[in-house]
Amino acid sequence: SAVISQKPSRDICQRGTSLTIQCQVDSQVTMMFWYRQQPGQSLTLIATANQGSEATYESGFVIDKFPISRPNLTFSTLTVSNMSPEDSSIYLCSVAMDTEAFFGQGTRLTVV
Amino acid sequence: EDKVVQSPLSLVVHEGDTVTLNCSYEVTNFRSLLWYKQEKKAPTFLFMLTSSGIEKKSGRLSSILDKKELFSILNITATQTGDSAVYLCAVDPRGTYKYIFGTGTRLKVLA
Repeated sequence: SAVISQKPSRDICQRGTSLTIQCQVDSQVTMMFWYRQQPGQSLTLIATANQGSEATYESGFVIDKFPISRPNLTFSTLTVSNMSPEDSSIYLCSVAMDTEAFFGQGTRLTVV
Repeated sequence: EDKVVQSPLSLVVHEGDTVTLNCSYEVTNFRSLLWYKQEKKAPTFLFMLTSSGIEKKSGRLSSILDKKELFSILNITATQTGDSAVYLCAVDPRGTYKYIFGTGTRLKVLA
C-alpha cells in the first residue's frame, strides 16, 4: 500500500486567484493521478501526472486551467488557476500500485 | 462510451439490516473493479475484483463479480451506524489505472 499526504486539506479562495495542491507519496510510484469530485457527484479524472514529461489530460480538462507538475516519483502538484465558484470541489490525488488505487486525504476547495 | 452505474442512489436502513449495493458497467477491455467507502473526503479501499464468481470477504462486507452479466454487488450484513457512508464502485476500462467511478450509493444506517 501507499501513504499519501495531501495539502492543504481545505481552503477558501477568492475568484480569479489560483491554488496549488501538493501530493507526497511515501514510496516511488509510476502512476499518479488527479481527480475532482464536485458537490454531490462522483470522482472524475482530471489528468495523469507523468514524471519527466507533460501531464496527460482527460477530455474537458486543459493544462492552462489545471497545470500539473511531477518533478520526481514521489511528488506532484495540481494548480487550479483563475478560479470561479464552479471550481468548488474536492480534489484528490491518487496513486496506482498493484492494480489498486490509493487516495490522498483530499483538498476541499471553496471559491467565493 | 465507458460507464459505471450504481444503484440505488441512496438507502436508509436500521442497524442489523442486511444491504446489497449494485454496480453495473459497460467498458472496453475490463481489467478490474474496485469498491470504496467514502465517509468524508478520501475514499478508502474495500475490495478489488478481477475474476467472476469468487467472493471477496472482509468481516461483515463481501463482494462478488459477474463478468458475463457485467455487474458486481457489495453486501453488508448486520449493518452498524458506522457503515453510513457513500460506497463507490470503480472500473479500470483499458488496463491503464484510469478508473471510471460510479455515482455512488449513499447509505445511512439508523440506530
